[in-house]
Amino acid sequence: DGGITQSPKYLFRKEGQNVTLSCEQNLNHDAMYWYRQDPGQGLRLIYYSQIVNDFQKGDIAEGYSVSREKKESFPLTVTSAQKNPTAFYLCASTVDFGGRTTDTQYFGPGTRLTVL
Amino acid sequence: AQSVAQPEDQVNVAEGNPLTVKCTYSVSGNPYLFWYVQYPNRGLQFLLKYITGDNLVKGSYGFEAEFNKSQTSFHLKKPSALVSDSALYFCAVRAVTGGFKTIFGAGTRLFVKA
Repeated sequence: DGGITQSPKYLFRKEGQNVTLSCEQNLNHDAMYWYRQDPGQGLRLIYYSQIVNDFQKGDIAEGYSVSREKKESFPLTVTSAQKNPTAFYLCASTVDFGGRTTDTQYFGPGTRLTVL
Repeated sequence: AQSVAQPEDQVNVAEGNPLTVKCTYSVSGNPYLFWYVQYPNRGLQFLLKYITGDNLVKGSYGFEAEFNKSQTSFHLKKPSALVSDSALYFCAVRAVTGGFKTIFGAGTRLFVKA
């Protein structure tokens, strides 16, 4: 089955620790995205990547970092600089970036991060 | 600036009754419009989208949405609600030109009572 996988499903972090959330897709999509979801706030864009070896900051990038060394992988690191990291994190992909043919986003199942 | 408003935090309907989840948007130029559904502790699933053409768009699970350019609305509808439709629904918008970003609304929680 094609799709996006995220791991782990639940993650607990102590204050001051960095943690990395995994996102893998086998859809052969060029573009990938990381969103943060908080209750009542919808989805906010953290980082996005148009293509391998390229990524750009979204609206709330402070305290986060990403890499895109392979087309199918887009890991997100939540650093100790992120002041309020407890949230639900969603990874998504699109066939291409800003394309006219399709903008449908395909989402992974999410990772719930809790800071203890 | 682009924006999406979902004016209702929650919508309650009885099973078998029609349902409507409201969405209004603001975007420069023509919009791409989307509806996604989220079940508890899951990612979002695509329901339907409007790109161009017929203002009434049909999607998954019997849902449909009507694009109204004059009212800048894209309300989600279903003629007969099911208990299994209970979930969190997100409206999203992207400008056709001038930017890539998809803006999501805050979400509307739908409760369908048996």
